[in-house]
Amino acid sequence: AQRVTQPEKLLSVFKGAPVELKCNYSYSGSPELFWYVQYSRQRLQLLLRHISRESIKGFTADLNKGETSFHLKKPFAQEEDSAMYYCAPTTYSTLTFGKGTMLLVSP
Amino acid sequence: NAGVTQTPKFQVLKTGQSMTLQCAQDMNHNSMYWYRQDPGMGLRLIYYSASEGTTDKGEVPNGYNVSRLNKREFSLRLESAAPSQTSVYFCASSGSGQGALQPQHFGDGTRLSIL
Repeated sequence: AQRVTQPEKLLSVFKGAPVELKCNYSYSGSPELFWYVQYSRQRLQLLLRHISRESIKGFTADLNKGETSFHLKKPFAQEEDSAMYYCAPTTYSTLTFGKGTMLLVSP
Repeated sequence: NAGVTQTPKFQVLKTGQSMTLQCAQDMNHNSMYWYRQDPGMGLRLIYYSASEGTTDKGEVPNGYNVSRLNKREFSLRLESAAPSQTSVYFCASSGSGQGALQPQHFGDGTRLSIL
């Protein structure tokens, strides 16, 4: 069965600290990897996708096929990064969301 | 740019009542989806429609039905609401071509409470 695990429900850091939100997946085939973000009182939106190799709002994500992980990283967290983050491996048939990690960045 | 529009935003039902949640997108997307979001459970797929005229079950379809009315609209129906269906419901759509490999665009959600 397709499975995605985000082991931390809550990650609390201080402004300026590095951040790593973990995502591990178990999928048949080679899924495309996405990270979605939901800021307070806003709709869920795409943050970044592996295939684009982009850095969005200072975030990057490294795909490790050997470990089947797609961790989201940012070297210096900002208060406006506080949000719920979802990892979402995707195949042609559907998309599975992790349970999400709430990131809280304190001043 | 409306994107994905869901109605209503809030609803309270009594157990056993029926209700249809509406979703429309103006991005000419082929694929549309219904999710429910519960605390500690993330988003779980209820039903999806890869193209107009087709629908398929997701992870948690029991107690729900869907209709892909046309390319723009994808509705979710609760025939006999149960307290376990209290949740926030999200509709999403994604572009054509490689279907689910395109990123999804989400609506604002419908907060549904069943007493």
